[in-house]
Amino acid sequence: GAVVSQHPSWVICKSGTSVKIECRSLDFQATTMFWYRQFPKQSLMLMATSNEGSKATYEQGVEKDKFLINHASLTLSTLTVTSAHPEDSSFYICSARPSGRGEQFFGPGTRLTVL
Amino acid sequence: GQNIDQPTEMTATEGAIVQINCTYQTSGFNGLFWYQQHAGEAPTFLSYNVLDGLEEKGRFSSFLSRSKGYSYLLLKELQMKDSASYLCAVGIGQGGKLIFGQGTELSVKP
Repeated sequence: GAVVSQHPSWVICKSGTSVKIECRSLDFQATTMFWYRQFPKQSLMLMATSNEGSKATYEQGVEKDKFLINHASLTLSTLTVTSAHPEDSSFYICSARPSGRGEQFFGPGTRLTVL
Repeated sequence: GQNIDQPTEMTATEGAIVQINCTYQTSGFNGLFWYQQHAGEAPTFLSYNVLDGLEEKGRFSSFLSRSKGYSYLLLKELQMKDSASYLCAVGIGQGGKLIFGQGTELSVKP
């Protein structure tokens, strides 16, 4: 149990385009999901907390108008990187926490490359 | 602010025991987590401590001292497949937010 999927697993796009990444909890409901970014040789940096049915909470320094988060259901959150630039190239990982449990379970990640 | 420290890298021998330390200074502490991450993959959950003491799970054990802001992950009977990055993370508040340390890259040698 506690499986989280992400789609796509990798994407290459041109500078200026937008990219949507989906995060799904497959066998549990998650009122809260989290989005992280990880650059090579670095640890995970929390970008935002995605709350079902309400606005996301962004960490300091993360532009909410650039990284649009939608949590439309208890099993799906999406992250849209708008007007992507090469510096947005990174490994984006989502996680979800089942109700009543302390640990988060991570999706397999999405590698974004912006040309 | 929030601060989590762990060694950048460690090397150990197959079959041996290794201890990876983590110290933290945070507000709103709500649990200490350890994750394993292989290169290019997402982290996988290893352990969770919310009370002081030792939690054992097979070859992996994790210890927590809240008064000292200190935790360690103990790996026994090391195997080559244990070569990975080990991430210490602190839970903050009631919303499930995690703050990660920079990770410890463990290399297991034959």
